[in-house]
Amino acid sequence: GIQVEQSPPDLILQEGANSTLRCNFSDSVNNLQWFHQNPWGQLINLFYIPSGTKQNGRLSATTVATERYSLLYISSSQTTDSGVYFCAVGPYSGAGSYQLTFGKGTKLSVIP
Amino acid sequence: NAGVTQTPKFRVLKTGQSMTLLCAQDMNHEYMYWYRQDPGMGLRLIHYSVGEGTTAKGEVPDGYNVSRLKKQNFLLGLESAAPSQTSVYFCASTLKRTLLSYNEQFFGPGTRLTVL
Repeated sequence: GIQVEQSPPDLILQEGANSTLRCNFSDSVNNLQWFHQNPWGQLINLFYIPSGTKQNGRLSATTVATERYSLLYISSSQTTDSGVYFCAVGPYSGAGSYQLTFGKGTKLSVIP
Repeated sequence: NAGVTQTPKFRVLKTGQSMTLLCAQDMNHEYMYWYRQDPGMGLRLIHYSVGEGTTAKGEVPDGYNVSRLKKQNFLLGLESAAPSQTSVYFCASTLKRTLLSYNEQFFGPGTRLTVL
């Protein structure tokens, strides 16, 4: 099956700093999503971005499908950004395109 | 519009006991999924359903059964719980569209299950 690797596994930031999280995947996809899992365990949809660039406030994401990677940018980080960020991808084939394979996540800690 | 809801939120079982987790969605989504999340891991797909009355196995289906009798509900059953099934279980759903189009998954709040 498709492999998803996220880096770095852990990241500690001072409040106000910027960061870039990376997601590499091993095969063509037609579904790529970024999630934030907050300290209470809730999964929050950040972006649906199988290709291209999107922005939502201080967060933006870019997926280069031909090179099989996606980047999540967090600018001016806040303590509420702490948690685990997951990248999940869906392969490009029939009914399988609706299944997501998750990476192991990047654990972000933003300190005041 | 409640989105995806899960019942119960927490449960403790003894080895060998059975239980059913309920997932409900009010978005008229065709596709529904059950995932499990273990410490330090991403989510792994247990079973999924592409429509009422149909189910299929995911990556880690052993020890679980599912049923989709109604479009809005997807049930996950553990017939004889084992400590290895201690995990957080997430349900998700997505709208079926055309082959190449938008199919963002939306997740419920999770059920934390402990098997002693």
